[in-house]
Amino acid sequence: DTEVTQTPKHLVMGMTNKKSLKCEQHMGHRAMYWYKQKAKKPPELMFVYSYEKLSINESVPSRFSPECPNSSLLNLHLHALQPEDSALYLCASSRRLDVAGQETQYFGPGTRLLVL
Amino acid sequence: GIQVEQSPPDLILQEGANSTLRCNFSDSVNNLQWFHQNPWGQLINLFYIPSGTKQNGRLSATTVATERYSLLYISSSQTTDSGVYFCAGNTGGFKTIFGAGTRLFVKA
Repeated sequence: DTEVTQTPKHLVMGMTNKKSLKCEQHMGHRAMYWYKQKAKKPPELMFVYSYEKLSINESVPSRFSPECPNSSLLNLHLHALQPEDSALYLCASSRRLDVAGQETQYFGPGTRLLVL
Repeated sequence: GIQVEQSPPDLILQEGANSTLRCNFSDSVNNLQWFHQNPWGQLINLFYIPSGTKQNGRLSATTVATERYSLLYISSSQTTDSGVYFCAGNTGGFKTIFGAGTRLFVKA
């Protein structure tokens, strides 16, 4: 099973709302990622967790707050977003991070976020 | 950081045709992957291929790490092959860099 699940599939929120995106995998992977993808652009890395610890924060604004409560679950908490934050948010996982870089990444279907 | 260039940016094929997509890297990469993003946004892992050649059905990929490029071959294309093809890699850190993608449309 190489499945990464994400909920919700779609989300519409106002600029004063607080919402959360959820990502789950049961492949025993110990590295998990959040990416942001704007229309007609490639995915851009936001955060990387390794063994439930934040390894990379790509200078993401504090209105995005990641959380990794256990090895299977990754959340992205959203607060006071701007319309320009509307995008497809992708979660991915890989077996591990090591000195050679990460191995094959498996992506979830994404959450399409619209900020009004 | 590394730069990843993909060519061509857009490609239109008649069903049944073959094609080759190219990915060039500005620096050596430890990991190289090819993905297909379908029209619904799902990124599907095609190949993990830091070097050598792999084949999976009508798709095959070759990476020549010493020359910093990778090729994805699609044979006997089908309409379901439409979408965006990305290559991605990193140089040993944790940050994966994606190319801009090749947008493929296969006509019936």
